[in-house]
Amino acid sequence: DAGVTQSPTHLIKTRGQQVTLRCSPKSGHDTVSWYQQALGQGPQFIFQYYEEEERQRGNFPDRFSGHQFPNYSSELNVNALLLGDSALYLCASSLAGRGRNTIYFGEGSWLTVV
Amino acid sequence: GQNIDQPTEMTATEGAIVQINCTYQTSGFNGLFWYQQHAGEAPTFLSYNVLDGLEEKGRFSSFLSRSKGYSYLLLKELQMKDSASYLCVCQAGTALIFGKGTTLSVSS
Repeated sequence: DAGVTQSPTHLIKTRGQQVTLRCSPKSGHDTVSWYQQALGQGPQFIFQYYEEEERQRGNFPDRFSGHQFPNYSSELNVNALLLGDSALYLCASSLAGRGRNTIYFGEGSWLTVV
Repeated sequence: GQNIDQPTEMTATEGAIVQINCTYQTSGFNGLFWYQQHAGEAPTFLSYNVLDGLEEKGRFSSFLSRSKGYSYLLLKELQMKDSASYLCVCQAGTALIFGKGTTLSVSS
């Protein structure tokens, strides 16, 4: 039973470019959340997807957008990349209506913007 | 608004006990998690408190006071492998709001 898988694991982009990160949730999970973690900081909530809709959003600009597919997998898109977007992007999956320890994190995608 | 405060760094020796404190001001608060994160790795779940009181789980215990906006994580019988960042995390609605983390260094 695979846990949360993310791809790519590492990538380098140039300022102004666009990037797409992908996440497959743990089997049986239907909710996907995305977080940005800069070096030395805790993860910051970007948004959450459930039933292919954005359910909740953090304080991130519209350059950050997402999508959830019928199979519950999700993509995070960032347009017009800035140097400050360099970070670890974490995907977390969970099952709606369940709390506690049913939130699982992927290993993350390291994005470097040069 | 959302604000979570925890110490930036702590040091301790093997076998000791350490308490990591966390204070929070979070709208829509539903509960509080503690996560452990080793450098370069994803956070891993340690504990979850939704009601006031102490939750004990092996060497780790977590306490919550909702009225005071306060929590702590207690680590007993410290081991070298406990050297990591400990993240105080508030659940607000369906989102997790992370503190900046406390880097714990355990020495022999």
